[in-house]
Amino acid sequence: GDSVTQMEGPVTLSEEAFLTINCTYTATGYPSLFWYVQYPGEGLQLLLKATKADDKGSNKGFEATYRKETTSFHLEKGSVQVSDSAVYFCARESTSGTYKYIFGTGTRLKVLA
Amino acid sequence: DTGVSQNPRHKITKRGQNVTFRCDPISEHNRLYWYRQTLGQGPEFLTYFQNEAQLEKSRLLSDRFSAERPKGSFSTLEIQRTEQGDSAMYLCASSPGVGNTGELFFGEGSRLTVL
Repeated sequence: GDSVTQMEGPVTLSEEAFLTINCTYTATGYPSLFWYVQYPGEGLQLLLKATKADDKGSNKGFEATYRKETTSFHLEKGSVQVSDSAVYFCARESTSGTYKYIFGTGTRLKVLA
Repeated sequence: DTGVSQNPRHKITKRGQNVTFRCDPISEHNRLYWYRQTLGQGPEFLTYFQNEAQLEKSRLLSDRFSAERPKGSFSTLEIQRTEQGDSAMYLCASSPGVGNTGELFFGEGSRLTVL
């Protein structure tokens, strides 16, 4: 069935380090892809999205490119900050015949000063 | 409007008791979702409403679970005869029908602990 697979955490980085969190999805159609972020004590909120192949979503210095050939949507940031410490979830929208969005298991990021 | 609101935020109950959670979506949103999140996992889909119609239910939603959205505004999720395995964070999300961008707007969740 449809699924989203993302790298397990936790990921611990020093401030200003480069971040990559890998995400791959099953290729049923061409769904929109999303990264959501959950800061401590808060609800999930959309970080960025891409709606079609080769689209690049970006927000707050984070980027992710929709790669159809590798069915991937890896999240990157060139220089992380302590305030980026959170749990990051990759997600895909539903395919035809279903309304649900499918989420990965989440990757916890901890950035040290 | 302050976003999606969920109540109660925390609920501790004994096994076998019934519990009910409420979700108030963003006012102009006609799509409403319930998800469940357990520790270390991502949100798992439970059910979806479009206005007052429940259009999809996950197999995770056993007979002990029931969700309603009677007037197409707020929604309730009831769990009957709770079991320890029901302990989780229950998340509500909403999105608009018209002008939908695919983004889900989540509440902060209702945490259930079954003793």
